Amino acid sequence: DTAVSQTPKYLVTQMGNDKSIKCEQNLGHDTMYWYKQDSKKFLKIMFSYNNKELIINETVPNRFSPKSPDKAHLNLHINSLELGDSAVYFCASSRTGTLGTQYFGPGTRLLVL
Amino acid sequence: AQTVTQSQPEMSVQEAETVTLSCTYDTSESNYYLFWYKQPPSRQMILVIRQEAYKQQNATENRFSVNFQKAAKSFSLKISDSQLGDTAMYFCAFMKRIQGAQKLVFGQGTRLTINP
Repeated sequence: DTAVSQTPKYLVTQMGNDKSIKCEQNLGHDTMYWYKQDSKKFLKIMFSYNNKELIINETVPNRFSPKSPDKAHLNLHINSLELGDSAVYFCASSRTGTLGTQYFGPGTRLLVL
Repeated sequence: AQTVTQSQPEMSVQEAETVTLSCTYDTSESNYYLFWYKQPPSRQMILVIRQEAYKQQNATENRFSVNFQKAAKSFSLKISDSQLGDTAMYFCAFMKRIQGAQKLVFGQGTRLTINP
């Protein structure tokens, strides 16, 4: 029944490692997003895909690479992890043409040591 | 660029009281949407209420209502008969369409505590 799911929910890793976070939605939406919430709770959009096409790409380091294999999935791969990447990462989805309501996943807490 | 400002980092009220959270935004666009999201300790982002800018009537969802002042670019959230379960971070957000996507710009958040 989960609408937007993310795996893993927690991720602890060492600096310099590469890690991926997966996101899946079963709402039939055609647009998906990645947001980053920092330690001060500030939420900022990173990427958005519409029908597997990159639409929004904010000022994010090249170490972050989103991949959308199909409309229901949007994964986030992070290379060479840095301490400043520690945050909560949220996936969200929405349907084109609606009132813009985005439905969020439960978040993935990433801690880089 | 759009900005969203929530001037109250923290608020605290007694159960059953009414509380109003402030939000102002800056944009040159005429057609947009505004949202309030709630983030309880569970971390889940939950939509509380939304408002289309072209609608003059303020949105209402049960105990939650907004005061939307378009000219003043103000979008406050009123919670009536507050409950312990309302304790959470509340985020005001501005949304604009970009092609097939919708870009949400969030405020800094207000931490609301409802005391028994």
